Amino acid sequence: GQNIDQPTEMTATEGAIVQINCTYQTSGFNGLFWYQQHAGEAPTFLSYNVLDGLEEKGRFSSFLSRSKGYSYLLLKELQMKDSASYLCAVRDSNYQLIWGAGTKLIIKP
Amino acid sequence: DADVTQTPRNRITKTGKRIMLECSQTKGHDRMYWYRQDPGLGLRLIYYSFDVKDINKGEISDGYSVSRQAQAKFSLSLESAIPNQTALYFCATSGGTLSGANVLTFGAGSRLTVL
Repeated sequence: GQNIDQPTEMTATEGAIVQINCTYQTSGFNGLFWYQQHAGEAPTFLSYNVLDGLEEKGRFSSFLSRSKGYSYLLLKELQMKDSASYLCAVRDSNYQLIWGAGTKLIIKP
Repeated sequence: DADVTQTPRNRITKTGKRIMLECSQTKGHDRMYWYRQDPGLGLRLIYYSFDVKDINKGEISDGYSVSRQAQAKFSLSLESAIPNQTALYFCATSGGTLSGANVLTFGAGSRLTVL
């Protein structure tokens, strides 16, 4: 079966750095996505990786290793507004998105 | 105005009732999707449509039906609602090529409670 694993919840301090991991086992691979979802709101797109390596976008970076079935989202200079759930999703060989359950990130002052 | 609009935003209904959730978009995208989100689970695809004449079942289509009335409109129906269909429902759209990033734009969600 297809599976996306990410931690259920993480806590970090304002101003610090946090890394949210995602491991996947899917039927093929055609890209990995990270979305941010604030409580009660819609998911919004953060990043897309299709090749190995690091993609940087401001305070957020996303890394992919296809051989390891592994990605992480790195958030720097954490702000209180970064408190949200972070969803990892992989597009499989049929171009269908398989979603992880999300990681709830709690930022403390 | 939002790019993807869902109505109603909240709905409480009783078992056995027919419910329709509506979605409209101003993105000009061809592809539209309906997902449900449950606590502790990833988003699950119910139905998707790549154009007006195209309807495809997703992972969990049983108990649901859809209608693509126009490029901009995609509605989800529960013919006879049951309590385990209580969930947060999201409509989403995407454009571009299938192999590109094909980012999803989500509506604000419709929270459905079936008593």
